Amino acid sequence: SQQGEEDPQALSIQEGENATMNCSYKTSINNLQWYRQNSGRGLVHLILIRSNEREKHSGRLRVTLDTSKKSSSLLITASRAADTASYFCATDTLGADKLIFGTGTRLQVFP
Amino acid sequence: SQTIHQWPATLVQPVGSPLSLECTVEGTSNPNLYWYRQAAGRGLQLLFYSVGIGQISSEVPQNLSASRPQDRQFILSSKKLLLSDSGFYLCAWSVRQHYQPQHFGDGTRLSIL
Repeated sequence: SQQGEEDPQALSIQEGENATMNCSYKTSINNLQWYRQNSGRGLVHLILIRSNEREKHSGRLRVTLDTSKKSSSLLITASRAADTASYFCATDTLGADKLIFGTGTRLQVFP
Repeated sequence: SQTIHQWPATLVQPVGSPLSLECTVEGTSNPNLYWYRQAAGRGLQLLFYSVGIGQISSEVPQNLSASRPQDRQFILSSKKLLLSDSGFYLCAWSVRQHYQPQHFGDGTRLSIL
């Protein structure tokens, strides 16, 4: 079953604007990860946040995690046309050797 | 550095034909290996994962099977393809520890006619 659900399903913004994507999940986790997928390609890992962390930064990416609400958000600041892609959250659940991926957010950044 | 190879990139097969997709990893030992399927515009569905040679866990009952004949080789197979097997198949590997990301191949686009 799908662990993560992202919203919005699709997001269109102009270059320079910020993009925020949200992810909700159902069970206790070790960590939550965000991935990016360009059309027709494999996924690329962006950032991992552990269950005892609340916020993490990597370049223009900012991830927050609220384990009480079982939710996470990914913020991309000062977006670029090259950020156009699908973004997925994935949860590493306790006791498992696998990730459960969400449904993804399709981000379109217009130049 | 570690690399993952997945082939073929695209495949068109008739219904009822067999399937073999191969994935190999270089530059690491004892990886966890994963096969996913992605329907158009959708998320990833985990099909199989393996924590060692000959150890396969199946997530979804279907006409697909997986094998791991060598430490860094993961094969996805079918004896008879169905129309519903069409999709984008992705192989991934990770270090066998928690708090580690997965690394994906470029995928195989499978079309069943």
